[in-house]
Amino acid sequence: QQQVKQSPQSLIVQKGGIPIINCAYENTAFDYFPWYQQFPGKGPALLIAIRPDVSEKKEGRFTISFNKSAKQFSLHIMDSQPGDSATYFCAAYQGGSEKLVFGKGTKLTVNP
Amino acid sequence: NAGVTQTPKFRILKIGQSMTLQCAQDMNHNYMYWYRQDPGMGLKLIYYSVGAGITDKGEVPNGYNVSRSTTEDFPLRLELAAPSQTSVYFCASSQPGEGEQYFGPGTRLTVT
Repeated sequence: QQQVKQSPQSLIVQKGGIPIINCAYENTAFDYFPWYQQFPGKGPALLIAIRPDVSEKKEGRFTISFNKSAKQFSLHIMDSQPGDSATYFCAAYQGGSEKLVFGKGTKLTVNP
Repeated sequence: NAGVTQTPKFRILKIGQSMTLQCAQDMNHNYMYWYRQDPGMGLKLIYYSVGAGITDKGEVPNGYNVSRSTTEDFPLRLELAAPSQTSVYFCASSQPGEGEQYFGPGTRLTVT
């Protein structure tokens, strides 16, 4: 119930491609879904987040799509660049909870 | 604001030695967390704290201890270091009721 399942584990795309990372959850009490970006040798940093009352959120080239009925959400990176190469974590949060539930991460490589 | 700071950045320990990983935040966050991240793996919660004097175990607490005497500081103590504790350790903080966690830059620990 408290798990967030993330796929794929790794992803390689060419520059300009649109990588998509998917996450699924079971707990319908989750009400906040952040994505974190982690560059090698750095700590994770909040990239973009969505609440379940909207189906899509865009920030620059990054878009979250949210499907409440399917209990799934995904991250799309438009016009991907080599500088987007990083590990991406999805997460889920239940209001009032003390902890985030993280997915296992996706290592994205964008080739020039 | 410095955000979340961690010291040291790197450390090599011999089996059986002890050490304390330091974490401090200047955002006046009540909640603080310790995670470990093994190569190619996700984040595993070791301990967390919801305020000064209050700590609780995460999913992988064995071999570690924490204390929280102030809002700002949350040190992680390793007693009798073992090779299995070779990892990168991240400290994070957040405000109650918010799903956003702010991560430090990490401490890379090797136990040989």
